[in-house]
Amino acid sequence: EAGVVQSPRYKIIEKKQPVAFWCNPISGHNTLYWYLQNLGQGPELLIRYENEEAVDDSQLPKDRFSAERLKGVDSTLKIQPAELGDSAVYLCASSSGVRNEQFFGPGTRLTVL
Amino acid sequence: AQSVTQPDIHITVSEGASLELRCNYSYGATPYLFWYVQSPGQGLQLLLKYFSGDTLVQGIKGFEAEFKRSQSSFNLRKPSVHWSDAAEYFCAVGGRAAGNKLTFGGGTRVLVKP
Repeated sequence: EAGVVQSPRYKIIEKKQPVAFWCNPISGHNTLYWYLQNLGQGPELLIRYENEEAVDDSQLPKDRFSAERLKGVDSTLKIQPAELGDSAVYLCASSSGVRNEQFFGPGTRLTVL
Repeated sequence: AQSVTQPDIHITVSEGASLELRCNYSYGATPYLFWYVQSPGQGLQLLLKYFSGDTLVQGIKGFEAEFKRSQSSFNLRKPSVHWSDAAEYFCAVGGRAAGNKLTFGGGTRVLVKP
């Protein structure tokens, strides 16, 4: 069974540029999560989807961040415009909703110059 | 609000020695508890989980953890560490009361000496 797929794995951009990350969850997983992981810290939830619906986006900085999960499968997280402080690893995870067991992708490491 | 504290930022252990990583949590209901491991440049891999029942949980790679409700702890142990165990370890808490939201600790980086 394929795991959670994320692309790109690495992205370097200049500040004020837009950037997008893509995630394909494990087949059949209805719940999808985007996390932000700063260097030396644990992941922090940005947004959680149940199928197409964003059920928890309270930690998503909505002035510059947006996300979508069309058709309840793949998801895209966008930052526009990027700031220096956005440099971090962006992790996607999915679960079947059974007792919170989440499976993580390898992450996208973003560097903003 | 739920929270997780991992008191040790770094731990250095000799290969073959035992390892224990501490995790204390705060959660207002019955917690679901997890330990994840992250190797450099990789995503998080689930080592083990506790939902209910037996408080001593066995996981992959020879790891185990014990849930102690009275101490709000879920410490991770391994009897004999291998060099490949060098990584960052994260404890996480969640549950139905939190709307399936996981909260992670800050992590403990394990270094293994030959």
